[in-house]
Amino acid sequence: GAVVSQHPSWVICKSGTSVKIECRSLDFQATTMFWYRQFPKQSLMLMATSNEGSKATYEQGVEKDKFLINHASLTLSTLTVTSAHPEDSSFYICSAPTRGNTGELFFGEGSRLTVL
Amino acid sequence: AQSVTQLDSQVPVFEEAPVELRCNYSSSVSVYLFWYVQYPNQGLQLLLKYLSGSTLVESINGFEAEFNKSQTSFHLRKPSVHISDTAEYFCAVSDLGNTPLVFGKGTRLSVIA
Repeated sequence: GAVVSQHPSWVICKSGTSVKIECRSLDFQATTMFWYRQFPKQSLMLMATSNEGSKATYEQGVEKDKFLINHASLTLSTLTVTSAHPEDSSFYICSAPTRGNTGELFFGEGSRLTVL
Repeated sequence: AQSVTQLDSQVPVFEEAPVELRCNYSSSVSVYLFWYVQYPNQGLQLLLKYLSGSTLVESINGFEAEFNKSQTSFHLRKPSVHISDTAEYFCAVSDLGNTPLVFGKGTRLSVIA
C-alpha cells in the first residue's frame, strides 16, 4: 500500500485564490520531503526540499513566496500555492526518502491543480 | 552535478514483443540508479534500482536493467511486453543519496494489441 499520501488528488480553483496540498508519510517519519512539479508529458522538476522544523530549501527559479512549504511535523508537509494563476496549473508530487540514504524515494499519488 | 538522458520520448511496441528503453547518465561521482514507472494521473512507483553488486537487476514483473559503468548507461528491457505495461518510464540518478534524485525526461511506452 501507499506509504506517502497526498491530498487532494484533484483541485480546481479560480485565479487569485490559494490552494493547499498535503503530503503525509504513513507509518514512518520523514524529516525531509521533496516537492516536485510535472508539466504535461515532461519530467519531474524538483521545486523544494521540505525540512521538518526549519525553512524549506527552494530550487533556483522557484518563488518561495508563491509556493509556501510548511513541514510542521514528522509526518506532514504542506505546499500552498498562493494567488494561483493559470500558469500554475500542473501536477504536483511529493516524496519522502526511504531508509538507507540511497536517494530512493517514496512518491505520493500526486495532485493535479487546474487554475481557471 | 548529475544528469540523465532518455533519448526516446515515445516507444510504441506490439504486445508480446521485446522492448528496450534507453537511459544514459552523467556524473563525476559514483551513483545509484533507478527506474520508476508512472501510470496516468498517478505518482511514481519504483520499478527497480541499482545500488551495488550485480550489474543486472530485475523487477517482479519481468523488467530488467543493466548498469554499464563504461557506457554510463542503465537501459531497461523486457523480453515480452503486455498491454498493462503502457505507462511513462523515468530513469533517475542519485549521487549515493547525497542529493535529491535527478530524473530523465521520461519515455512513454505504448503497447499495441
